[in-house]
Amino acid sequence: DAKTTQPNSMESNEEEPVHLPCNHSTISGTDYIHWYRQLPSQGPEYVIHGLTSNVNNRMASLAIAEDRKSSTLILHRATLRDAAVYYCILRDASNFGNEKLTFGTGTRLTIIP
Amino acid sequence: GAVVSQHPSRVICKSGTSVKIECRSLDFQATTMFWYRQFPKKSLMLMATSNEGSKATYEQGVEKDKFLINHASLTLSTLTVTSAHPEDSSFYICSAKRLAGRNEQFFGPGTRLTVL
Repeated sequence: DAKTTQPNSMESNEEEPVHLPCNHSTISGTDYIHWYRQLPSQGPEYVIHGLTSNVNNRMASLAIAEDRKSSTLILHRATLRDAAVYYCILRDASNFGNEKLTFGTGTRLTIIP
Repeated sequence: GAVVSQHPSRVICKSGTSVKIECRSLDFQATTMFWYRQFPKKSLMLMATSNEGSKATYEQGVEKDKFLINHASLTLSTLTVTSAHPEDSSFYICSAKRLAGRNEQFFGPGTRLTVL
């Protein structure tokens, strides 16, 4: 599986935008970029995913570099409830039935009131 | 949104006993469910992939005779930790993928197992 690299931790002020980077220089053409987050003592929660184009949903935006070797999860206006560990994961869609998600260490986001 | 539940949410047991954890998809059918284990301050580690009506596929290093998985219906998978020992104490999390469409997995709230 192609690997991802994320900063171990980040801090952001409440009500400000947050940009969470992820490097995936060995990404293949069939890898989707998925983002999940895990709040303390809970199971992970899907945030967003994309392949080539930037994506927006009610939770966040995903900006994907033109060469797809990096991506950025954007939280437009952070709240205290956004404090979590954010995981950037590549999922190979070429192998039908291979739905496994391999979690890395993620980025622990702290929101400062 | 799709909801996945786990039962129990936490369990404390004596060493040598077996513990069963249930994972249910409440409002959708899931052909595939996944079981993860997470140690404190660590990331999730996939243990096995559970397919309805067939044997589970275990990740390398996970003992299938110790972690018994049964996926008897499209809405229920169970993980049984047999002859539990203190080193099995962990946060166990399941996830489920819809029968049709959409790429995301839906995760349960987790079960915290403490073996004394």
